[in-house]
Amino acid sequence: QLVLTQSPSASASLGASVKLTCTLSSGHSSYAIAWHQQQPEKGPRYLMKLNSDGSHIKGDGIPDRFSGSLSGAERYLTISSLQSEDEADYYCQTWDTGIRVFGGGTKLTVL
Amino acid sequence: QVQLQESGPGLVKPSETLSLTCTVSGASISTYFWSWIRQPAGRGLEWIGRIYTRGSTNYNPSLKSRVTMSIDTSKNQFSLKLTSVTAADTAVYYCARDDTAIIAWGQGTLVTVSS
Repeated sequence: QLVLTQSPSASASLGASVKLTCTLSSGHSSYAIAWHQQQPEKGPRYLMKLNSDGSHIKGDGIPDRFSGSLSGAERYLTISSLQSEDEADYYCQTWDTGIRVFGGGTKLTVL
Repeated sequence: QVQLQESGPGLVKPSETLSLTCTVSGASISTYFWSWIRQPAGRGLEWIGRIYTRGSTNYNPSLKSRVTMSIDTSKNQFSLKLTSVTAADTAVYYCARDDTAIIAWGQGTLVTVSS
């Protein structure tokens, strides 16, 4: 079964960097994913698609501070130079034939 | 740049049918896949299903027996029907452009199931 696992919460200081993790279930370690940001009281926003070769395709207007990477079954979203508006929920999402799957989300707190 | 806008009743009675429409601008609805996703208050995102032109659909197995999606190319709209709703179906419903990755989201519409 295709499942994405995310830590429920993370925190980092203003101006620092943070690396959020999304883990693919066993047997699915080569899958591409997407990252989405949901700021408080807003709808989600597409950040990027992270391909299995480590390349990524960002959405319109997504700052260079946001980047993606991977190692094995883990997919990462790194946010550098954290700003207050980066405080949000971050969801990873993947797909297989005929299905779409979301991770449970990570709530990022900017200290 | 594609824009999506959900519309439909904000209140539905238990056991009745939830009906929502998504109007797409900035892209031809005939060219891509389109998904519905929902989010109960304080919880995560749940994919409901997707539709392609000519009516090709895929649904979340957990909702499949209650979901129907349709597409109207003449209006550049696609729609969601969810039957036999209960309080558990209360959520913000989003329509989205589905390019395997979900690459564009509507602003969402809150649907409350209550008598």
